[in-house]
Amino acid sequence: SYELTQPPSVSVSPGQTASITCSGDKLGDKYAYWYQQKPGQSPVLVIYQDSKRPSGIPERFSGSNSGNTATLTISGTQAMDEADYFCQAWDSSALYVFGTGTKVTVL
Amino acid sequence: QVQLVQSGAEVKKPGASMNLSCKASGDTFTYSSIHWLRQAPGQRLEWMGWINTANANTKYSQKFHGRVTITRDTSATTAYMDLSSLRSEDTAVYYCARQYCSGGSCYNAFDIWGQGTMVAVSS
Repeated sequence: SYELTQPPSVSVSPGQTASITCSGDKLGDKYAYWYQQKPGQSPVLVIYQDSKRPSGIPERFSGSNSGNTATLTISGTQAMDEADYFCQAWDSSALYVFGTGTKVTVL
Repeated sequence: QVQLVQSGAEVKKPGASMNLSCKASGDTFTYSSIHWLRQAPGQRLEWMGWINTANANTKYSQKFHGRVTITRDTSATTAYMDLSSLRSEDTAVYYCARQYCSGGSCYNAFDIWGQGTMVAVSS
């Protein structure tokens, strides 16, 4: 089965850049998607097709995907960005696959 | 803006079945497919299956095949998910979510999520 792996946690100072990685075999050959989930809330789609932002998502969220790694970047991180972030890809056999999740702490 | 409102929390005995609902409002029900996912405590999200709300076609994850059934009632703009032969490992928050479609294209992602339904399976 296809698996996606993320670091458990990332810490960032307010105003700085946070980078969250998502690793999977030949992930760059697939599209990567990213969600933000705050405690007690449902996930919110923040990046689709590697680097596109849905309507309403701030420009400080950006994404890239190449080789075996997709990356979500939060530029000028704000306190409100503190949340869990998880990646997702679509695989022809496993279909919808999710990453292990990364907790972003804004210190 | 479309909203998905799910049924309330449930406690089930092992071996029982559960039926969860997901009511859509604010948009055309048949605009996009509805998916069911779950998140067990401390675990990653897990996709269970989906239903094409226009024609009722379904597809299920191999992991749940045979135990899960997804249906919809277009007049009630509601999707349902039945999971049978429950075991303790099925304890999780269950979500319905809409496939993300924009500008005439649909993507393998989910933009609108229900609030989640907590299901506990315990003897």
